[in-house]
Amino acid sequence: LAKTTQPISMDSYEGQEVNITCSHNNIATNDYITWYQQFPSQGPRFIIQGYKTKVTNEVASLFIPADRKSSTLSLPRVSLSDTAVYYCLVGPARGATNKLIFGTGTLLAVQP
Amino acid sequence: GAVVSQHPSWVICKSGTSVKIECRSLDFQATTMFWYRQFPKQSLMLMATSNEGSKATYEQGVEKDKFLINHASLTLSTLTVTSAHPEDSSFYICSASAGERPGELFFGEGSRLTVL
Repeated sequence: LAKTTQPISMDSYEGQEVNITCSHNNIATNDYITWYQQFPSQGPRFIIQGYKTKVTNEVASLFIPADRKSSTLSLPRVSLSDTAVYYCLVGPARGATNKLIFGTGTLLAVQP
Repeated sequence: GAVVSQHPSWVICKSGTSVKIECRSLDFQATTMFWYRQFPKQSLMLMATSNEGSKATYEQGVEKDKFLINHASLTLSTLTVTSAHPEDSSFYICSASAGERPGELFFGEGSRLTVL
């Protein structure tokens, strides 16, 4: 299972765009990149998933370079409620065990 | 999206007692569920993989006799913390894959165990 490295913490202000980068140098060919958000005392919540290039949904964008050794989660115009821990995970495709190992995560603190 | 529910959401027990935590997939069948524990200000640590109809697979360092896992149906997995001690106090989270997206897991709300 590919190991991931993220910044421990980031600070931002309301209305700013936040980019959180994750390194996964030993990602396997069939691995997908998935980001989760976790609020205190809650289970993680799926944000976005991608395999390569760019993926966008209603809450975030995910940028993946051609070599797939890193990825960047982009949160547009963050608000106070986006303060949470964000985890980058790399795991196998459907049909496998989907066993996911969590790294340290990035604590995003959004200030007014 | 798929829903995973845990019960209880919090429990306080005396040292030496056993506590059972249930994890249910409400609108999908899950042949595989995962149990994590999380200490304050730390990341989630995978404890074991729960397989329906077979024995659970435990991660290295996790005592299988201490943390009993039963996955008797496609929608229910249980984690029993046996002879709980204060150091077992933690946030326990289960997850399951609904197969909608590769590698996507749906997580329960978590269960906070406090052992006095």
